[in-house]
Amino acid sequence: EVQLVESGGGLVQPGRSLKLSCLASGFTFSNYGMNWIRQAPGKGLEWVASISSSSSYIYYADTVKGRFTISRDNAKNTLYLQMTSLRSEDTALYYCARITTTGYFDYWGQGVMVTVSS
Amino acid sequence: IQMTQSPSLLSASVGDRVTLSCKAGQNINNYLAWYQQKLGEAPKLLIYNANSLQTGIPSRFSGSGSGTDFTLTISSLQPEDVATYFCQQYNSWLTFGSGTKLEIK
Repeated sequence: EVQLVESGGGLVQPGRSLKLSCLASGFTFSNYGMNWIRQAPGKGLEWVASISSSSSYIYYADTVKGRFTISRDNAKNTLYLQMTSLRSEDTALYYCARITTTGYFDYWGQGVMVTVSS
Repeated sequence: IQMTQSPSLLSASVGDRVTLSCKAGQNINNYLAWYQQKLGEAPKLLIYNANSLQTGIPSRFSGSGSGTDFTLTISSLQPEDVATYFCQQYNSWLTFGSGTKLEIK
């Protein structure tokens, strides 16, 4: 069974940093691209960042480019999102999701909450 | 690519045939997925490539359309279908629609 379990969220002050993790199991992690997608309270879904299976290709939404860094450790079956210079508008539930070669998301984690507030 | 879903809120009765709309700002061929998100849960993939049913999803769900206009149909609404439904295009980058909240009348 595919499982994606996020961790590392919490309350952080504006301008500070936070690092999210997503531990994957039930599939060969190194064969799949992975993504972070977020959902602000009561709002829709926003794609944040994408990383290919071997980390060769990395993409970011314009809203986080230059502030967030996506990475992965295939030996540890773990996806990361390093978030710096956090803003109130980054407050959201952050999901990690597995992406198919075509581009849709076939498995999602349960999400981890990030709250940016003073 | 802008994705526009309508209506934003839909109220229907159990057993009704329900149709949700998703329009793309430009041609996305058939690179469209539909997700169901129940309250407090992660999104779940229902449909990919506009009309392919994901494994394990009930056959009352179906998708249609191509180009810019797409539809998710629930042939007979069930109480467990109460959720918000999102469409997502993957023809050019990755963008989601704003969602349709479906409730039981």
